Amino acid sequence: QLLESGGGWVQPGGSLRLSCAASGFSFSSFTLSWVRQAPGKGLEWVTGISPSGRTIYYLDAVQGRFTTSRDASRNTVYLQMDGLRVEDSALYMCVKDRIGDSVAASVFDHWGRGTLVSVSS
Amino acid sequence: EIQMTQSPSSLSASVGDRVTITCQASQDIMHYLNWYQQKPGQAPKLLIYDASNLETGVPSRFSGSGSGSVFALTISSLQPDDIATYYCQQYDDLRALTFGGGTKVEI
Repeated sequence: QLLESGGGWVQPGGSLRLSCAASGFSFSSFTLSWVRQAPGKGLEWVTGISPSGRTIYYLDAVQGRFTTSRDASRNTVYLQMDGLRVEDSALYMCVKDRIGDSVAASVFDHWGRGTLVSVSS
Repeated sequence: EIQMTQSPSSLSASVGDRVTITCQASQDIMHYLNWYQQKPGQAPKLLIYDASNLETGVPSRFSGSGSGSVFALTISSLQPDDIATYYCQQYDDLRALTFGGGTKVEI
């Protein structure tokens, strides 16, 4: 199970920290990602963090503004979002990779229901 | 960034029809292609991975094919439960995963 929290409304330029609490699998063995979906739009991969946390990739549009981390003691992955823009408004879903012990995301086999982020003035 | 183009963007078919959705990559991605199904109000669900491998529990009426830059998802006999939007996703470039724009299937 993947349970996201932390979404909400924020003004442009503001910050939010999303959390994803994981259960039911070996947390330290799988890459976890964030995928977003703007209302009525398609899917967009945002970032992925390797099992160790040492390898992290970001969508170009969020590079330098978003930071991903994970805490194995809490089985939780975080997405710190700074400098938020109107175009960042979306449902943010936490996603588990199908393949264990991989340094990067590839195949998404479990998805959370998401937490909604709304950026507007 | 590898661009993924799906066609059609939407389609309407009858129960029992054979339905095919195509996905074209902007470059050769070998077999690094997945397909997802998203029903209204739900999270996406993995259907096919590595272009042609059926995920456990997915009905056998779904199949995937293709390699290189052109791929297809086929539903051999459309069922009412298949009403959804379908997305392809490449992972040839692990630093920048990308999805197709989606294909909405209606009956």
